[in-house]
Amino acid sequence: DTAVSQTPKYLVTQMGNDKSIKCEQNLGHDTMYWYKQDSKKFLKIMFSYNNKELIINETVPNRFSPKSPDKAHLNLHINSLELGDSAVYFCASSQGISGDTQYFGPGTRLTVL
Amino acid sequence: GESVGLHLPTLSVQEGDNSIINCAYSNSASDYFIWYKQESGKGPQFIIDIRSNMDKRQGQRVTVLLNKTVKHLSLQIAATQPGDSAVYFCASPPGRRALTFGSGTRLQVQP
Repeated sequence: DTAVSQTPKYLVTQMGNDKSIKCEQNLGHDTMYWYKQDSKKFLKIMFSYNNKELIINETVPNRFSPKSPDKAHLNLHINSLELGDSAVYFCASSQGISGDTQYFGPGTRLTVL
Repeated sequence: GESVGLHLPTLSVQEGDNSIINCAYSNSASDYFIWYKQESGKGPQFIIDIRSNMDKRQGQRVTVLLNKTVKHLSLQIAATQPGDSAVYFCASPPGRRALTFGSGTRLQVQP
């Protein structure tokens, strides 16, 4: 009965590799988000999708490409991983597009070596 | 620029005491604020929210106060328990978009 789930929980990879993180929500929400949390616990929005359409694309390198096959899923693909990509990535969802109460997944800790 | 920030990075309290976590924001147009709690190894969890037409809202053991004049809000936790130990964030959706988070306050509850 997990509301927002992410896989994998931990991801360790070499610089230059390509990796994906998956997110699914069973709340029936229309909007999903990806956030990046750095080592100082600062959370920053990366992307937002509403009904499979991109509505927010913050200043993120184009090596990051979100994909939403349906409104319950929002995956994050990262090409040519760099050391600075190491962080915890959180998926979230909300009912509307107005940034209202968001429900977060457990996070994916990405470590780039 | 726009920011939602916190006054203290770490707050240490004794079990049973009341905790007060503060947050300042810069955007006068912000009309909705949310407090999140993040335990170690977990995602942020919604605690309580408040809209700008209110100056106080109470939940179970938690109270949020909003002072629009000085652009400040606080989270008060009554009878703090060890399970309250976490990082607390205030957040606001600028322009009704995704949330802007502050840097967080770590609450440590001493037994």
